[in-house]
Parts: sequence; C-alpha cells; structure tokens
Amino acid sequence: NAGVTQTPKFRVLKTGQSMTLLCAQDMNHEYMYWYRQDPGMGLRLIHYSVGEGTTAKGEVPDGYNVSRLKKQNFLLGLESAAPSQTSVYFCASSIQGDRVRNTEAFFGQGTRLTVV
Amino acid sequence: LAKTTQPISMDSYEGQEVNITCSHNNIATNDYITWYQQFPSQGPRFIIQGYKTKVTNEVASLFIPADRKSSTLSLPRVSLSDTAVYYCLVGDLGGGSYIPTFGRGTSLIVHP
Repeated sequence: NAGVTQTPKFRVLKTGQSMTLLCAQDMNHEYMYWYRQDPGMGLRLIHYSVGEGTTAKGEVPDGYNVSRLKKQNFLLGLESAAPSQTSVYFCASSIQGDRVRNTEAFFGQGTRLTVV
Repeated sequence: LAKTTQPISMDSYEGQEVNITCSHNNIATNDYITWYQQFPSQGPRFIIQGYKTKVTNEVASLFIPADRKSSTLSLPRVSLSDTAVYYCLVGDLGGGSYIPTFGRGTSLIVHP
C-alpha cells in the first residue's frame, strides 16, 4: 500500500516555465489537498478537492490551477512559474465522514520546487 | 474556524516529558482537536485526536479540560527522534466540510 505518492520529488524551473505536480493516492479517499510550506510559515492550503471532478480554492490559490479528473489523482499546475513559488509542496488525502470515523489526513513526501 | 495559538518553539532533553499546549478559545461545540507531527523533509503525520478529557495512544496523550478552550499534547520520555514540528488543528469533523488547516506549529528540539 503506497499511500500518497508525489511526482516529482525535486524540480528546478526557470521563471515563466510551466509544470504539473502529480499526486496519487491508493486509499480511495474522497478528499485531496495541496499545500505549500515555506520556512517558518507552516503549511498553507492552495487548493483542495472534495471528490472527483470538483476543486476549490484554499488560502493561497493565486498562480496555481488544479484538476481532479480521477478520484485517485490530484494535479497541481503552475502555468507561469515565479520565484515566489519556490517552496516545498505537499499533497494529502483523507476520508470524510461523521464524527465517529477518524478523518486523518495522509501526506506525501513532498516536492521541492525551485524557480530561478 | 477556531483559531489556535501554540508556542513557536520549545526545547527539552532526552528522557523528559514534554507538554505542548494549544489555545483555542473559540472552539465550537462540534469541533475536535487533532495533532500532527512533522519531521524535517517529510510530510506531517497524524498523532492523536480527541474531543474531551483524555486520549492516549502509543505515541502521546492528549489532555482536554472541561471548557475545551485549550488542549495539551504530552510526549512521555522524549528522545532525539522526537525533534519535529507539532501542529494543533481544531475543526468539525462531521458534515463533510472539514479541511485540515495548519498554523505555524511548535518546533520542538530535543537535546542530548
């Protein structure tokens, strides 16, 4: 059971280039999330999805787009990378249910992105 | 969403018990309290979750007073490997609207 897998693990982009980060989960979770983490800032939510075909904006969505065409995959796109998007990106997934069930979020290992 | 306040950093020594307190004065009736741990260069991982009184598992204990306006994560006899950032989250887990929201967390450094 792989859990949450992020691809790639490292990437260097030039300003203005585009790229897509892939997140895949094999736990049949409904909810998926993308966060970014900058030094001393904790994790900030970029976008999230509550199910296949749905997406919603988080705290810091500008400059990013997402898609959830398949339940197990959540893609994060940068159309025109900027140095301010240099960060570590984490994907997570979780079940959603009533208060009886644990809604623990499972995280991937992260993608370290540098924009020069 | 209930706002949480935690100390930015804490220091401890191997073998000591560490207590990290999180303040959440405007916690709602349906809100649960969840703690995550994040090691360097890794994603956060769930530690413990509770609603009231005390919850204990193999990793930690969570103490929640009757008014629920704060909670304390207790790590018994810490070791160097407990050096990590600890996050306190508060939210309503039911109704399909819970989105984990992380603050800056508490950076715990365990010294030899």
